[in-house]
Amino acid sequence: DGGITQSPKYLFRKEGQNVTLSCEQNLNHDAMYWYRQDPGQGLRLIYYSQIVNDFQKGDIAEGYSVSREKKESFPLTVTSAQKNPTAFYLCASSIGGTNEKLFFGSGTQLSVL
Amino acid sequence: QKEVEQDPGPLSVPEGAIVSLNCTYSNSAFQYFMWYRQYSRKGPELLMYTYSSGNKEDGRFTAQVDKSSKYISLFIRDSQPSDSATYLCAIQRGSNYKLTFGKGTLLTVNP
Repeated sequence: DGGITQSPKYLFRKEGQNVTLSCEQNLNHDAMYWYRQDPGQGLRLIYYSQIVNDFQKGDIAEGYSVSREKKESFPLTVTSAQKNPTAFYLCASSIGGTNEKLFFGSGTQLSVL
Repeated sequence: QKEVEQDPGPLSVPEGAIVSLNCTYSNSAFQYFMWYRQYSRKGPELLMYTYSSGNKEDGRFTAQVDKSSKYISLFIRDSQPSDSATYLCAIQRGSNYKLTFGKGTLLTVNP
């Protein structure tokens, strides 16, 4: 079945630690995205990538980093510089172009110990 | 003024009721309008997609866009307990890859 796989489902971060969230898609989509969801805040864009080896900052990129070495993979690293990392993180992909129909993964809940 | 405003609810209705969910937006440049449904602790899924004023129907769901008023709506007929979820509106200008999401409305349909 085609889809987007996020792992792990739950993740805990210690003070000063970097953690990496995995996102893999087998939809053959060019574009991939990372969103952060906080209660009552809706979805906010962290980073997006339209093509392999290229990515752009979204609205709240500070404290996060990404890579896009393969078309199907777009991992997100939450660095120690992100002081309030507790949130639900969603990865999405789309075919690309102007019709932006997003397909989402099932999310990763990150909490701080 | 925020680009898109959505009443967060919560909204609670009895089974079989007609549900109306709404968003307003501020910039007439937005061309594409979407509704996503998100069950608790899951990823959103695309429910409706439209790019023109008027109505678009899909089963029990109708998406309505009024560009002159900058107002979009989602109607759910004969609501079911399985419709209980958060509904997110999303809008897009068209030439870039960024969607702007509303904060979502939490809907509960009671049996």
